[in-house]
Amino acid sequence: SQKIEQNSEALNIQEGKTATLTCNYTNYSPAYLQWYRQDPGRGPVFLLLIRENEKEKRKERLKVTFDTTLKQSLFHITASQPADSATYLCALVAGYNKLIFGAGTRLAVHP
Amino acid sequence: EADIYQTPRYLVIGTGKKITLECSQTMGHDKMYWYQQDPGMELHLIHYSYGVNSTEKGDLSSESTVSRIRTEHFPLTLESARPSHTSQYLCASSEPSGGEETQYFGPGTRLLVL
Repeated sequence: SQKIEQNSEALNIQEGKTATLTCNYTNYSPAYLQWYRQDPGRGPVFLLLIRENEKEKRKERLKVTFDTTLKQSLFHITASQPADSATYLCALVAGYNKLIFGAGTRLAVHP
Repeated sequence: EADIYQTPRYLVIGTGKKITLECSQTMGHDKMYWYQQDPGMELHLIHYSYGVNSTEKGDLSSESTVSRIRTEHFPLTLESARPSHTSQYLCASSEPSGGEETQYFGPGTRLLVL
């Protein structure tokens, strides 16, 4: 069956360091992959989209990579700040306009 | 901040009651979605709509129903609430962009059925 895996353990890092989150998927061949941020008690907010023919995508302090051979995407936040603390979800298209979400990884950035 | 609204934000209700969760968006998006999310878990798609008078069931079976009479409004109804319906319900919408739709989410409704 189709599956998206994100590290269920929280990632704790020090302010100023680079946070790296992983998204692995099986039984998919997605044309693109998305990353969202979700704060407690709120709906997800779209951050970045990367297409299958793009190896890397950047937006300010965010960087996403997409390796279709490994079936993996990495999400990086450079120079992390406490305000970056949240849960980060990856999502793949499965079928027409339907997204499948991972359970997310909680990031905690400590001052 | 996306222009998509959900009411109520929190709802505590007794078993057997009928409830309607409201969702509206002012972006003119044709596509709208309802997700269910338990704490620390994935979002599960329970309903979606491609436009007025279009409704489809999602991947997660749900006893709820939806309607889409107006583009901007996509309410979800539970005829008889049960404790198993306790969860967070998230509404989203998207605009077509060559198959790369990004979704805009509302703040969610947290439902507790006693």
